[in-house]
Amino acid sequence: NAGVTQTPKFQVLKTGQSMTLQCAQDMNHNSMYWYRQDPGMGLRLIYYSASEGTTDKGEVPNGYNVSRLNKREFSLRLESAAPSQTSVYFCASSPTWGSNTDTQYFGPGTRLTVL
Amino acid sequence: AQSVTQLDSHVSVSEGTPVLLRCNYSSSYSPSLFWYVQHPNKGLQLLLKYTSAATLVKGINGFEAEFKKSETSFHLTKPSAHMSDAAEYFCVVNTLGRLYFGRGTQLTVWP
Repeated sequence: NAGVTQTPKFQVLKTGQSMTLQCAQDMNHNSMYWYRQDPGMGLRLIYYSASEGTTDKGEVPNGYNVSRLNKREFSLRLESAAPSQTSVYFCASSPTWGSNTDTQYFGPGTRLTVL
Repeated sequence: AQSVTQLDSHVSVSEGTPVLLRCNYSSSYSPSLFWYVQHPNKGLQLLLKYTSAATLVKGINGFEAEFKKSETSFHLTKPSAHMSDAAEYFCVVNTLGRLYFGRGTQLTVWP
């Protein structure tokens, strides 16, 4: 079991460029999440997918779009990157949505720099 | 409203001495509480979680935490620090599937 995998590990973009961050999980989880982590702050939720075919905004969705491609894969797209989107991005998954007790399992992260 | 306050942004201890990382929370619901650890340039790993069973929760690598409802606290402890414990630790509230993170505590362990 690889758990949650993310590609790429590192990326440098120029302002205005676009890119897609990929995430896949092999734990047969229904729910998937995208977070960003900025220095001195905890993780903040960008978007989530409670189940295949659904997506919803989290705390900081502006400037991002997502696609739940199938049960395994959940991608995050930056259409026109801005320096404020320089961050570390984490994908996570959990068995179900809305459960107080489910554990979210995290990928290794993508370190994105926007110049 | 949900929020998590980690009372120390940095904690330094000597190897072999006790570790205490403090966390207070507020929640409109009966939450579950988690501690995650993040080693440098790595993803987050679950240390332990409280889900309304026993208030003293044991986790991996000798860590434990006690849920105190009256104090709205969930402090993380370890009797004896090891060099490999050096990392960033996050206290997290889970309310109906949404996670709310504290800002993190950076733990340094001196030899």
